[in-house]
Amino acid sequence: QSVVTQPPSASGTPGQRVTISCSGSSSNIGSNTVNWYQQLPGTAPKLLIYSNNQRPSGVPDRFSGSKSGTSASLAISGLQSEDEADHYCAAWDDSLNGYVFGTGTKVTVL
Amino acid sequence: EVQLVQSGAEVKKPGESLKISCKGSGYSFTNYWIGWVRQMPGKGLEWMGIIYPGDSDTRYSPSFQGQVTISADKSISTAYLQWSSLKASDTAMYYCARRFGVVTGYYFDYWGQGTLVTVSS
Repeated sequence: QSVVTQPPSASGTPGQRVTISCSGSSSNIGSNTVNWYQQLPGTAPKLLIYSNNQRPSGVPDRFSGSKSGTSASLAISGLQSEDEADHYCAAWDDSLNGYVFGTGTKVTVL
Repeated sequence: EVQLVQSGAEVKKPGESLKISCKGSGYSFTNYWIGWVRQMPGKGLEWMGIIYPGDSDTRYSPSFQGQVTISADKSISTAYLQWSSLKASDTAMYYCARRFGVVTGYYFDYWGQGTLVTVSS
């Protein structure tokens, strides 16, 4: 079981805004930056957000990240069908001395 | 263009050994850590460990220490993940990924396509 938890699912209709939460502790999110990865069905994960709120080149600005204390969140605005995927937050954990992924959230476009 | 290309799917029996690979191209392979990530069927991502090909400095997740060996051959820009005795519970997709950034703020910016390992009698 991961030490970083996410809701198992989130959903919305096309064009809506969806937010995914990511809850950790002082040893991971509380003291290190958070990254988000998107995994489309049957494919490898892809970096979506790094350093809490930075988007790599090519990631639409519909995706945004934020962090406060020991929690982080990913927002998807203007939801599109191609956003249906599993989304994972991740951060370094000082106590475990390792990189921890969140439990993952499946986004469904209704 | 940065690419990580992994070896093909494997089907093995319990107790057999296995070594899968991840070949980097399009960047200086020796200057970036390479990590390995496990994804069991229908489950989430798990960080296994990481290696710096420049000097083979290796770190393992406590959950995987002693269970697998991570290595690299910088002369051919390839990282490896190996098992000496596979178990059915090793059945999973394994991804390699390039690490970017410093420890407290690092992330995996490029990923391999994954290698499916199936262990069954």
